[in-house]
Amino acid sequence: AQSVTQPDIHITVSEGASLELRCNYSYGATPYLFWYVQSPGQGLQLLLKYFSGDTLVQGIKGFEAEFKRSQSSFNLRKPSVHWSDAAEYFCAVGAPGGYQKVTFGTGTKLQVIP
Amino acid sequence: GAVVSQHPSRVICKSGTSVKIECRSLDFQATTMFWYRQFPKQSLMLMATSNEGSKATYEQGVEKDKFLINHASLTLSTLTVTSAHPEDSSFYICSAQDRTSNYGYTFGSGTRLTVV
Repeated sequence: AQSVTQPDIHITVSEGASLELRCNYSYGATPYLFWYVQSPGQGLQLLLKYFSGDTLVQGIKGFEAEFKRSQSSFNLRKPSVHWSDAAEYFCAVGAPGGYQKVTFGTGTKLQVIP
Repeated sequence: GAVVSQHPSRVICKSGTSVKIECRSLDFQATTMFWYRQFPKQSLMLMATSNEGSKATYEQGVEKDKFLINHASLTLSTLTVTSAHPEDSSFYICSAQDRTSNYGYTFGSGTRLTVV
């Protein structure tokens, strides 16, 4: 069965500092990988996804993530955090192919201080 | 891009009543939609997979008679919480896959259900 681990429950960074959110997955082959962001009381917004090809994926809002097969990781990064980035971030894994269910990690809450 | 509309965004109902939540794909056809539930400060848990024209597939532990799912068309899936109780209070989110965007998952904005 597929699973996702986000080891950091809560992260605080200063505005303008760099950010890395960790994500480790468990799956027998190369899965589909996703990062979503959720603002309080809101739904989920897709930041980026990896299906195949280039292991460095660019997303919206200046985010990127790198798929590392050897480490079973898909960490999310941003070079300079803005106060509006404060939210909850979810990593997710899905089986390849269409219409497969997605398993979410427990989320990392990002706090940005001035 | 693909848009999924979920309605209502917030609903308060009395114990024992039923509540229907709608999930619509606005600019694409979704043969499969997914319903998730999110408890406060927790992650999303898949409740069921909704398939157009057939019965939904429920995850283990989810009561199919309590959470009725109907996917009558390629753009609409509904989740009905029957005989709601306070413990059903939660955040419910639907998602759909857009085949034309390489199976990217698009999520609705969610429904905050409060049962009093």
